[in-house]
Amino acid sequence: NAGVTQTPKFRVLKTGQSMTLLCAQDMNHEYMYWYRQDPGMGLRLIHYSVGEGTTAKGEVPDGYNVSRLKKQNFLLGLESAAPSQTSVYFCASSYGTGATDTQYFGPGTRLTVL
Amino acid sequence: GQQLNQSPQSMFIQEGEDVSMNCTSSSIFNTWLWYKQDPGEGPVLLIALYKAGELTSNGRLTAQFGITRKDSFLNISASIPSDVGIYFCAGSGRPGGAQKLVFGQGTRLTINP
Repeated sequence: NAGVTQTPKFRVLKTGQSMTLLCAQDMNHEYMYWYRQDPGMGLRLIHYSVGEGTTAKGEVPDGYNVSRLKKQNFLLGLESAAPSQTSVYFCASSYGTGATDTQYFGPGTRLTVL
Repeated sequence: GQQLNQSPQSMFIQEGEDVSMNCTSSSIFNTWLWYKQDPGEGPVLLIALYKAGELTSNGRLTAQFGITRKDSFLNISASIPSDVGIYFCAGSGRPGGAQKLVFGQGTRLTINP
């Protein structure tokens, strides 16, 4: 099992450019999550999905879109990147079995927007 | 939104020392989690707490879910070099369904050999 993988690992964008971050999991997890991590602020939830074809907003969804067309993949899109979106992005997944559910995190994507 | 206050922000200790860090919240949580993050990696779950007053150990790590459900602490005994990293607390308000976790700011642990 590879667990949770993220593509790419690093990316530099210019303001206004678009890009898609890919998250893949091979654990047959129902739930998937996208977080961003900024210095001194811990991780904050952007969007999440409770199953194929579903998405929902998290704490900081503005400027991002997501899609879950396949159960194993969760895509995070930036339509028009801004310097404020410079951050490290983490994807996580979980079985979705209730209160004792455990989220497993990917290795992260470091994004810089110039 | 909800916020967790984690302290201290950083710690510099000698190998073999015990470590203590804590998290407080203005809101009640039903689940408290403690994660460790190594450089260039995602967070890894260390301990999960699901009941107020619960005390749980994982090797040299011990964590407690506060009685008020608004705080939690993590202790590491007899620290070793591989304990170096950033430790995060996280809370979840929902007893089931998608765990929309709220994270603390992290405690960066540095160990002098």
